[in-house]
Amino acid sequence: AQSVTQPDIHITVSEGASLELRCNYSYGATPYLFWYVQSPGQGLQLLLKYFSGDTLVQGIKGFEAEFKRSQSSFNLRKPSVHWSDAAEYFCAVGARTGTASKLTFGTGTRLQVTL
Amino acid sequence: DAGVTQSPTHLIKTRGQQVTLRCSPKSGHDTVSWYQQALGQGPQFIFQYYEEEERQRGNFPDRFSGHQFPNYSSELNVNALLLGDSALYLCASSPGGRGETGANVLTFGAGSRLTVL
Repeated sequence: AQSVTQPDIHITVSEGASLELRCNYSYGATPYLFWYVQSPGQGLQLLLKYFSGDTLVQGIKGFEAEFKRSQSSFNLRKPSVHWSDAAEYFCAVGARTGTASKLTFGTGTRLQVTL
Repeated sequence: DAGVTQSPTHLIKTRGQQVTLRCSPKSGHDTVSWYQQALGQGPQFIFQYYEEEERQRGNFPDRFSGHQFPNYSSELNVNALLLGDSALYLCASSPGGRGETGANVLTFGAGSRLTVL
């Protein structure tokens, strides 16, 4: 069974500082990997995804993530955080089933940005 | 282009009642998945519908059932509500027939927040 661990429940960074959110997954092969962001009272918005190929993927809003197979990790990074980035961030893993797979989400990391 | 729309946005029910939540997928999408997000938790997969049939199911009891209509819209039904069913219910759609990678790009709605008293 697939699983996702987000070790950091809550992170606070200053505006303009760099950010790294950690994600570790458990899956028998190379999974699909995703990062979603959720603002209060909203649904989930896809930031970026990894299916195959280049292990460094670029997403929206200046985010990027790196897939490291040896560490079973898919950490999310941003070089300079903006106050509008404050939200809940979820890492998710999907099985390669040949069709639309079910996603398994982590418990999320809440990002607070101080001015 | 409208994304995924869900209704109602909020509702309150009492234990033992039944509830129906509705979802209209994004234009061009034919696969609908439902997720339950309890407070402070990540979303959990309930089930997925494609071509009006349940294709995958998560670890949820039979009290949770669904339906997909010919226009690809979907309903989630929960019977005999328990306090623990209080959550945000998210619908996600994807273009299931557009290859493996396309099928896995989900678009989520804003959710229906259910409170069970």
